[in-house]
Amino acid sequence: KQEVTQIPAALSVPEGENLVLNCSFTDSAIYNLQWFRQDPGKGLTSLLLIQSSQREQTSGRLNASLDKSSGRSTLYIAASQPGDSATYLCAVSGDNAGNMLTFGGGTRLMVKP
Amino acid sequence: SAVISQKPSRDICQRGTSLTIQCQVDSQVTMMFWYRQQPGQSLTLIATANQGSEATYESGFVIDKFPISRPNLTFSTLTVSNMSPEDSSIYLCSVERGGSGSVYDEQFFGPGTRLTVL
Repeated sequence: KQEVTQIPAALSVPEGENLVLNCSFTDSAIYNLQWFRQDPGKGLTSLLLIQSSQREQTSGRLNASLDKSSGRSTLYIAASQPGDSATYLCAVSGDNAGNMLTFGGGTRLMVKP
Repeated sequence: SAVISQKPSRDICQRGTSLTIQCQVDSQVTMMFWYRQQPGQSLTLIATANQGSEATYESGFVIDKFPISRPNLTFSTLTVSNMSPEDSSIYLCSVERGGSGSVYDEQFFGPGTRLTVL
């Protein structure tokens, strides 16, 4: 059974810092990995999708990398802003059950002005 | 991306009652998914709903408690039956972009329904 772990569970940084969020998964036989953002009490916003054959994806100040063989992904946020404060979730898909996503517990990020 | 709406956005319900949550998508999709997010927790898949067939439930979830309908390719409902306070959660539906069913499709989520059971 796939298990996804995110470290750290919570992170507080001053505005302007570059930061890295970590995601690890136990079964490397994945189809893709997605990073999401969730604001308190809200739904999920898709940030980046990395297919299993890809190494990284970039969108603006966000860069996500994938090392499938070691079961790891990182989300790099450059020049953090208070508006980046949210919970960041990674999720992997790809097991015999089809396209279902298995989620990590999330990293709760606070960027202080 | 896909535009997904859910109704209601939130509700407060009494123990023993049932609530039906609606999910509407702006384009036809093959697969729709229902997730639950308990307070302070991450998301857990309840079931996968394909049009024209019965929903497939994950371990720990049963049809009698969470009946699902999928009458067409743009709409689905999830009912939370005989509710108890333990059912208080955010319920989210999601779809895959394009509806091609490819494992490489990106998933998009609705805004969620926040349910509180007293």
